Amino acid sequence: NAGVTQTPKFQVLKTGQSMTLQCAQDMNHNSMYWYRQDPGMGLRLIYYSASEGTTDKGEVPNGYNVSRLNKREFSLRLESAAPSQTSVYFCASSELRGKETQYFGPGTRLLVL
Amino acid sequence: AQSVTQLDSQVPVFEEAPVELRCNYSSSVSVYLFWYVQYPNQGLQLLLKYLSGSTLVKGINGFEAEFNKSQTSFHLRKPSVHISDTAEYFCAVSGRSGTYKYIFGTGTRLKVLA
Repeated sequence: NAGVTQTPKFQVLKTGQSMTLQCAQDMNHNSMYWYRQDPGMGLRLIYYSASEGTTDKGEVPNGYNVSRLNKREFSLRLESAAPSQTSVYFCASSELRGKETQYFGPGTRLLVL
Repeated sequence: AQSVTQLDSQVPVFEEAPVELRCNYSSSVSVYLFWYVQYPNQGLQLLLKYLSGSTLVKGINGFEAEFNKSQTSFHLRKPSVHISDTAEYFCAVSGRSGTYKYIFGTGTRLKVLA
């Protein structure tokens, strides 16, 4: 069982470039999430998908788009990267929203120059 | 709406000493409460959670937390810490109804000193 996997582990972009962060889970979970982690700010929810076929904005969605490709995969796209998007990005999954434990991937460290 | 406050951004403590990491929350609905731990360069993993029942919850690695509804707190404790407990600890709250919004605190960095 791999749990939640994320690719890539590290990425350096120039301002204005685009990229897609990939996330996959093998636990048959319904809900998936994208967070960003910045020093002193904890984890902030970017987008989530409560179930296959649905996506909703979280706390900080501006500058990002997501796709729930199927039950396993949830990708995050930066269309035109900005230095303010330098962060560590975590994907997570859970059986359902609410009381269920969230399982996290190892993170993607993104630097935008 | 829910919010979570972790009052201490950093807590240094000597090895084998007790530690308490504080978490307070506010919510207009009943909540579920969680503590997660993040070791360096890793994702978060669950330490323990309160869903219902006994207000004292025991988790992995000897940690426990007590839900105090009147004080809206969910403090994390360990009677004797080890060097390996050095990590960042996040409190989280989720509403039991409505949008089931899941909110993380800003984290407390625990540094265990030899």
